[in-house]
Amino acid sequence: DSGVTQTPKHLITATGQRVTLRCSPRSGDLSVYWYQQSLDQGLQFLIQYYNGEERAKGNILERFSAQQFPDLHSELNLSSLELGDSALYFCASSHGTSVQETQYFGPGTRLLVL
Amino acid sequence: AQTVTQSQPEMSVQEAETVTLSCTYDTSESDYYLFWYKQPPSRQMILVIRQEAYKQQNATENRFSVNFQKAAKSFSLKISDSQLGDAAMYFCAYRSGRMNRDDKIIFGKGTRLHILP
Repeated sequence: DSGVTQTPKHLITATGQRVTLRCSPRSGDLSVYWYQQSLDQGLQFLIQYYNGEERAKGNILERFSAQQFPDLHSELNLSSLELGDSALYFCASSHGTSVQETQYFGPGTRLLVL
Repeated sequence: AQTVTQSQPEMSVQEAETVTLSCTYDTSESDYYLFWYKQPPSRQMILVIRQEAYKQQNATENRFSVNFQKAAKSFSLKISDSQLGDAAMYFCAYRSGRMNRDDKIIFGKGTRLHILP
């Protein structure tokens, strides 16, 4: 158990809908990262937050957004969902932003868009 | 841009034998970190081993060791005494060592490892 929790574990929804994925980092970790794992694109970095502020953006679609709250948990919002958004979404956390730090991954949220 | 390539989509090894998973990467940076992550059927991403590019000594973690060849940009994972629980997808990954605003990890496509009893 990495100490990173993600809810829900599974999510089934329809095209055009909006969903929110939640992540709680390890105790004491200030950085949260979101990754998407799909069959065709593999594992891709989406976005990073550090202590409530956006730090880096990767291949995140404009339909997607995220935020990190004062208690350091993070939410990834996916809107106007398309079939191709079906994927496993991982959250990872690290204490800070030092390049020496290891990112610990949560169990993921499996999203299925029908 | 940095890339990570895993040329073996699938591999099989007999239980108790040794197997080596290959990984090559491309970067113009001199300071970086390399990782192997394991993803078992549960889908959890588990860090197996990590190597700092500035360290010449190859990292080891119990039955897992790496062969890091910086000049060749190669980073292979050796699993000794393979066990049934080692069956998983293995991802090679890269992270820049530069203090910039981008802390992302770049992953390879993965190698699925089967352990034969």
